[in-house]
Amino acid sequence: GESVGLHLPTLSVQEGDNSIINCAYSNSASDYFIWYKQESGKGPQFIIDIRSNMDKRQGQRVTVLLNKTVKHLSLQIAATQPGDSAVYFCAGDTGTASKLTFGTGTRLQVTL
Amino acid sequence: NAGVTQTPKFQVLKTGQSMTLQCAQDMNHNSMYWYRQDPGMGLRLIYYSASEGTTDKGEVPNGYNVSRLNKREFSLRLESAAPSQTSVYFCASGRQGAVEPQHFGDGTRLSIL
Repeated sequence: GESVGLHLPTLSVQEGDNSIINCAYSNSASDYFIWYKQESGKGPQFIIDIRSNMDKRQGQRVTVLLNKTVKHLSLQIAATQPGDSAVYFCAGDTGTASKLTFGTGTRLQVTL
Repeated sequence: NAGVTQTPKFQVLKTGQSMTLQCAQDMNHNSMYWYRQDPGMGLRLIYYSASEGTTDKGEVPNGYNVSRLNKREFSLRLESAAPSQTSVYFCASGRQGAVEPQHFGDGTRLSIL
């Protein structure tokens, strides 16, 4: 089955710096990945996704990189802001986001 | 834009009591899901409904039942609550067969004493 995990439980960055949150997955059949942001007391909020036929996808201040060789993806947040403080989850699926497997999450703390 | 709405937001139960968590979505999605989130862990799938009239077990279904009432609504029932079911429960919806993310409600925080 799928196993998705993150390398660090907590990441502390200074406001204005770039943040990199990492995620590893075990199922080589996984072909769709999503990054979610979860603020305290809220449900997960979609940030960005990527399919396995892509290596990189960019959004507004966020970039997701996918390395299928080592089964690793990362979320990069440019010019991190206090509003970026949250827990970030990666999730993977083998096809259609029908049954996502979630990692344990990384808490991003933005210091002033 | 309501999206996915969950009720109640908070609930405290005693061991052995029963409870139904409600979820409704207004995005015309086929698929709906129930997850639980425990401290330090990711979301784990309890049950899902790929389409109206169908339900299937997820990773942690024991102690729960679900009902897909119609396309909009998907409820989760605890028949005899146990302290191990203390958790935050999230409902999500998505388009079956589409490669796109699921959309989540803001959760129900359930404590069982």
